[in-house]
Amino acid sequence: DAKTTQPPSMDCAEGRAANLPCNHSTISGNEYVYWYRQIHSQGPQYIIHGLKNNETNEMASLIITEDRKSSTLILPHATLRDTAVYYCIVRVIGGYNKLIFGAGTRLAVHP
Amino acid sequence: NAGVMQNPRHLVRRRGQEARLRCSPMKGHSHVYWYRQLPEEGLKFMVYLQKENIIDESGMPKERFSAEFPKEGPSILRIQQVVRGDSAAYFCASSPSRSTEAFFGQGTRLTVV
Repeated sequence: DAKTTQPPSMDCAEGRAANLPCNHSTISGNEYVYWYRQIHSQGPQYIIHGLKNNETNEMASLIITEDRKSSTLILPHATLRDTAVYYCIVRVIGGYNKLIFGAGTRLAVHP
Repeated sequence: NAGVMQNPRHLVRRRGQEARLRCSPMKGHSHVYWYRQLPEEGLKFMVYLQKENIIDESGMPKERFSAEFPKEGPSILRIQQVVRGDSAAYFCASSPSRSTEAFFGQGTRLTVV
């Protein structure tokens, strides 16, 4: 079973920030938070991951709460091409890519 | 740098035939993972291989399914005597080391008729 909880769907206006929440209240101290997305049945695409500090890359920002029980993926300026299912996954540090995908959040970006 | 390459992209097999799915990892990647996505369901881990070795096959069905990653050439997921329930999208991912993030291919969509 997935160790994360995400809302099933969200909407966002094009050009606005998309904030996707994830609850991982049972996360262990030796687990990362990873985010992937899947655009219309394509292969999942890696977005970002973090341990306890906030992370930013060219695709997104990841904000992890101080108690690490939840996180938010931020797409700063959503475009129509960001419409996808977003998966929040916890993964053991040093572990291999045996990823447990839940149902994810279906993000719809509209004009 | 080409991404993970999977072929064929679409494969149609009749019940009882064999299906062979190929995956060429990214250059420099020696760790390969296979996942399956049944219609309207999430992705499920099947197997993890590292050059010539199966590390974890806990997600593989006990019968008819096998995987290999030879010293030379692509990784192969083989499904013998396919049944309609094997119809799914099969995704391969690769990583340069055991613990770094994996990158996925575009998948092979298997349809059993």
